[in-house]
Amino acid sequence: SQTIHQWPATLVQPVGSPLSLECTVEGTSNPNLYWYRQAAGRGLQLLFYSVGIGQISSEVPQNLSASRPQDRQFILSSKKLLLSDSGFYLCAWSVGIPQHGYTFGSGTRLTVV
Amino acid sequence: SQQGEEDPQALSIQEGENATMNCSYKTSINNLQWYRQNSGRGLVHLILIRSNEREKHSGRLRVTLDTSKKSSSLLITASRAADTASYFCATVFYNQGGKLIFGQGTELSVKP
Repeated sequence: SQTIHQWPATLVQPVGSPLSLECTVEGTSNPNLYWYRQAAGRGLQLLFYSVGIGQISSEVPQNLSASRPQDRQFILSSKKLLLSDSGFYLCAWSVGIPQHGYTFGSGTRLTVV
Repeated sequence: SQQGEEDPQALSIQEGENATMNCSYKTSINNLQWYRQNSGRGLVHLILIRSNEREKHSGRLRVTLDTSKKSSSLLITASRAADTASYFCATVFYNQGGKLIFGQGTELSVKP
């Protein structure tokens, strides 16, 4: 079956520290992968998407970067976290033209202190 | 900018009542999707309606789509306390990696 794993579930990091969030997908090949951020009480903002290994599209300029070193692995990183990077980060995947919607991970709650 | 705008931002009803949430979008679409998010959790796909469809049902959910008005609505009938969640509409941009762009969502509270 197709599953998506996202970790850690919660993270508290000091300002200026690095960040690495990982998302992996199982049970499918060549998925489109997405990173979203959700501020408290707000909608989801698309940060990055990837249609293949090494292919990253950035939606908004920011303090974050993304990489896709393997087909089913998507990593969100920062060299130096800012307070404004706090939020709920969600990974998602789709294949082709989905008939039944996209699948989301369970999310990482990041608090920068 | 967000593709969709949702109305109302918050909705509070009693169990058994119907809940209607509306979504407007800006550009032409291939399909429109609705998602549910329980507090602090990931999103769960509820229903997808294609641009050539006007209405779709799934259990207690009914979705309508009016492409001339660029709007959609989600109706939850006979609501339950367990329906308490945030609901989002989203549109797909297939020529941009299939990215899914969300509205701001409606926060639904169903009181027992």
